[in-house]
Amino acid sequence: QVQLQESGPGLVKPSETLSLTCEVSGYSISSAFHWGWIRQPPGRGLEWIGSVHHSGSTYYSPSLKTRVTLSPDTSKNHFSLKLTSVTAADTAVYYCARVSQVGATRVFDYWGQGTLVTVSS
Amino acid sequence: QSVLTQPPSASGTPGQRVTISCSGSSSNIGSNAVNWYQKLPGTAPKLLIYSNNQRPSGVPDRFSGSRSGTSASLAISGLQSEDEADYHCATWDDSLNGHVVFGGGTKLTVL
Repeated sequence: QVQLQESGPGLVKPSETLSLTCEVSGYSISSAFHWGWIRQPPGRGLEWIGSVHHSGSTYYSPSLKTRVTLSPDTSKNHFSLKLTSVTAADTAVYYCARVSQVGATRVFDYWGQGTLVTVSS
Repeated sequence: QSVLTQPPSASGTPGQRVTISCSGSSSNIGSNAVNWYQKLPGTAPKLLIYSNNQRPSGVPDRFSGSRSGTSASLAISGLQSEDEADYHCATWDDSLNGHVVFGGGTKLTVL
């Protein structure tokens, strides 16, 4: 059974860097698939942040690409998110998920439980 | 705001049929398959419908999806109390280099 678990600080100061890690169990990230991050600000909808492949290729949301870096660590079977220069608008529940190709579409088929990150001084 | 437009709320009584809409444009829904996610309170989103109208294993056939032009819909028949959740549509947008776009989510209340 594929399982994902986010970890990282729950509180980040404005202008600092948000760093989260997604530990994957039950599947090797170096085998296949892209691995992504999605967030949900309080009272708002889901927002895709980006996806990363074990080879290191990345896809970033146009609205966040200047501040986001995703990276895989195949030795630890996890992948990470770094978001720089955060503001209160980055306060959200952050989810990691696996991206699977199903027919003509791609879906997020396995998700972590999510972790709340609050940006505040 | 979100690229895809959903009504913020919907409601129905047990046994009723409810429909949730998702509106987009030619570069997203008009060109790509739509997926739906169900988010129960305090839990991670769960894939509910993929490729417009396909159900993953384990999803009851009370849930169905459709797509027409630049809009998509999720229908829930025989509404049950456990269906009370947030529902999010998603697809890929060709004008954004194939990046993922979500709707703002619809909170379904079972009265």
